[in-house]
Amino acid sequence: EPEVTQTPSHQVTQMGQEVILRCVPISNHLYFYWYRQILGQKVEFLVSFYNNEISEKSEIFDDQFSVERPDGSNFTLKIRSTKLEDSAMYFCASRQGSGANVLTFGAGSRLTVL
Amino acid sequence: GDSVTQMEGPVTLSEEAFLTINCTYTATGYPSLFWYVQYPGEGLQLLLKATKADDKGSNKGFEATYRKETTSFHLEKGSVQVSDSAVYFCALSTDSNYQLIWGAGTKLIIKP
Repeated sequence: EPEVTQTPSHQVTQMGQEVILRCVPISNHLYFYWYRQILGQKVEFLVSFYNNEISEKSEIFDDQFSVERPDGSNFTLKIRSTKLEDSAMYFCASRQGSGANVLTFGAGSRLTVL
Repeated sequence: GDSVTQMEGPVTLSEEAFLTINCTYTATGYPSLFWYVQYPGEGLQLLLKATKADDKGSNKGFEATYRKETTSFHLEKGSVQVSDSAVYFCALSTDSNYQLIWGAGTKLIIKP
């Protein structure tokens, strides 16, 4: 069964460092998403991406965050200068489109900022 | 704004017990409703969904009915197994972007 792949599974970084989380969505999917879950809290929407541009973003997704689809397969989330409160599990998801309303999620990337 | 409320966990049951995890929602419009499951060390997997009132979603012995009158989507299973131990998330989507709004998750522990 097709799956969404995320790397790394766990990253530890120092505060102020840049982090790039990578995702390979399902190949025929057109819509891409990033969500995050701070430990013990709800899953929160960060951003959605379609046709090479951001279609929607939440208040969390400030100027420190950016997304990119650098080639035909990868979808990346960059945090420019990490803060302690960025420590969370980050989930990538993709959706086929054309009325399909089911998101397929990756296993997540755990980011720990020290 | 739109929101989802789930019963707090952990919920601890013995094998073969009946399971109910409560989920209620508030939303403008007519949301689609989902249950996702997260097994230890894995990602979020869609368990079942319902897109309109009175629809029943079912999968792997789990089921949930979309109740518009009570704004609920409770998850049930008649006989749980140890392998059902996981965190269960209720979620809704109302917009064309299918952005999901999540409940807090309920950890389910099944003891042999």
